[in-house]
Amino acid sequence: EIVMTQSPATLSVSPGERATLSCRASQSVSSNLAWYQQKPGQAPRLLIYGASTRATGIPARFSGSGSGTEFTLTISSLQSEDFAVYYCQQYNNWPTFGQGTKVEIK
Amino acid sequence: EVQLVESGGGLVQPGRSLRLSCAASGFTFDDYAMHWVRQAPGKGLEWVSGISWNSGSIGYADSVKGRFTISRDNAKNSLYLQMNSLRAEDTALYYCAKDMVAVSSGWETFDYWGQGTLVTVSS
Repeated sequence: EIVMTQSPATLSVSPGERATLSCRASQSVSSNLAWYQQKPGQAPRLLIYGASTRATGIPARFSGSGSGTEFTLTISSLQSEDFAVYYCQQYNNWPTFGQGTKVEIK
Repeated sequence: EVQLVESGGGLVQPGRSLRLSCAASGFTFDDYAMHWVRQAPGKGLEWVSGISWNSGSIGYADSVKGRFTISRDNAKNSLYLQMNSLRAEDTALYYCAKDMVAVSSGWETFDYWGQGTLVTVSS
């Protein structure tokens, strides 16, 4: 099983600031990495796949980078609707998720 | 419009069984792999099981292997999860999720999710 580790567990950011979230895989997953956003009471929403491709309808302020074992999700200028929990997921093998990063208002 | 609607959740005693269903619409169901993902109360996401578009490839998380069985009926556009020997730690919201790429030889990311069905295992 490929273990995904996200950091930090909680990120406190002011609206308008940049947020940088990290995800590390226990072994290479190539570019088979996705990011999801989940708000309370809602199902996860796909943001990024293929490590860096935005899903349909996702604003350009969301960007993903990395390959192999190190990945980053960047939100360039946080909007009020971006405060949520973010999960990374590898699908190079049987899918596994990271434990999540909560982005909260500072 | 893609829709995934889960059903079958409820309160069940430890050791008993439950069968979840996911009704799919708005896409060509038999072209896509499908998955079950669960989320325990206040916790993160855990992939439970996946089945390829033609049922030729099936996988399970170690935590449910030997107890849960995934299946699909392409004629009914439906996905199922048979859960046996349920434990308290199986308590969670169970989501049905769709693979993004049609007729894939491997697993892909999940582009659509249902709203989930809650399973509570307690005596």
